[in-house]
Amino acid sequence: SYVLTQPPSVSVAPGQTARITCGGNNIGSKSVHWYQQKPGQAPVLVVYDDSDRPSGIPERFSGSNSGNTATLTISRVEAGDEADYYCQVWDSSSDHPRVFGGGTKLTVL
Amino acid sequence: EVQLVESGGGLIQPGGSLRLSCAASGFTVSSNYMSWVRQAPGKGLEWVSVIYSGGSTYYADSVKGRFTISRDNSKNTLYLQMNSLRAEDTAVYYCDDGAGNWGQGTLVTVSS
Repeated sequence: SYVLTQPPSVSVAPGQTARITCGGNNIGSKSVHWYQQKPGQAPVLVVYDDSDRPSGIPERFSGSNSGNTATLTISRVEAGDEADYYCQVWDSSSDHPRVFGGGTKLTVL
Repeated sequence: EVQLVESGGGLIQPGGSLRLSCAASGFTVSSNYMSWVRQAPGKGLEWVSVIYSGGSTYYADSVKGRFTISRDNSKNTLYLQMNSLRAEDTAVYYCDDGAGNWGQGTLVTVSS
């Protein structure tokens, strides 16, 4: 089944830009969704279909997807952005259609 | 407003069974593809099962043959029947509607 690979951790200072990658074979041909999860809370969708934002999500959150890597970019990082972030795709041709990455812990220094 | 509310979790002995429910409001469960996703303590998100609007169902290898996803359109509720539970099934179980809406989760603990 399809595999998504994320770095376990990313650290960034407040006000800087964080980039979280999600690697997968030809992931550029799939739609990638990103979730933010804070401790004790359910995941929250922050980017869908590679680069669209749900209502209520700040413009600081953006996404891109090409080749074998999708990227979630968080600009002007704030302390409140510290969380786990997961990428996810649907592999409709598979018997295991929904795949999550292993997650990335974003630490705001 | 879309709302998903899970229930049915608890402490269960290995080999036992539980049925989780996910009551939906603000939309119709049969019109979306609905999923169960779980998260073991300190671990990442793991997709468990999905039921499509047409009724097709799929399962992760780790639960195939033991778990069954279903829905009751009259109650607008999604279910997950979990049999032959194992310690490694211990997790918070979430339902989501494929459109970014998740429930708050229900904790399942499998332990003797």
